[in-house]
Amino acid sequence: QVQLVQSGAEVKKPGSSVKVSCKASGDTFSSYGISWVRQAPGQGLEWMGRIIPIIDTANYAHKFQGRVTITADKSTGTAYMELSSLRSDDTAVYYCARGGSSLHPAFDPWGQGTLVTVSS
Amino acid sequence: QSVLTQPPSASGTPGQRVTISCSGSSSNIGSNDVSWYQQLPRTAPKLLISSNNQRPSGVPDRFSGSKSGTSASLAISGLQSDDEADYYCAAWDDTLNGPVFGGGTKLTVL
Repeated sequence: QVQLVQSGAEVKKPGSSVKVSCKASGDTFSSYGISWVRQAPGQGLEWMGRIIPIIDTANYAHKFQGRVTITADKSTGTAYMELSSLRSDDTAVYYCARGGSSLHPAFDPWGQGTLVTVSS
Repeated sequence: QSVLTQPPSASGTPGQRVTISCSGSSSNIGSNDVSWYQQLPRTAPKLLISSNNQRPSGVPDRFSGSKSGTSASLAISGLQSDDEADYYCAAWDDTLNGPVFGGGTKLTVL
């Protein structure tokens, strides 16, 4: 039974970067991949990108290309999402979830979420 | 503007059956599986239905999914007060080469 545990809430200044971690326990990384999905206050879910750790390949949603970097450390079972050039509209809860690839499109399970607040 | 279209709200009384629709196109629902998620207030989403109609272990059989053409539906029978939540559909999109979500439907149990 895979469980995903994310790092804690962050407050960042506009223009800075944030890096959120997602540690998998109960199973090693598999071919499922780890996706990052964000949810702005009162809004819906938005897929940002995904990494398949066993082949170390990341793919990003067009909207975030150039601003987001997703990496994984297979030795610790941890995935990371770094978002740069932060703006106020990046304020959101960021979730990691297993899945989101063409072979395994469903997202399950999800991390508990990390609130990132961008404010001057 | 979400790629998949859901009604913003739905409602029902306890015991009723409600359905939530999800409309897409040939590049997503029309050619790929649909999944559904339940998001209770202030919690992370939870997978309810995968591969159009498959319930993960632990999901009550009151929840069912179906797909036809470029549309999908989530049905909830025997509605309960703790079903009050936001529901999202998702599918892989071949044109965008990534998963896409519906805008979400807020279900109210009256």
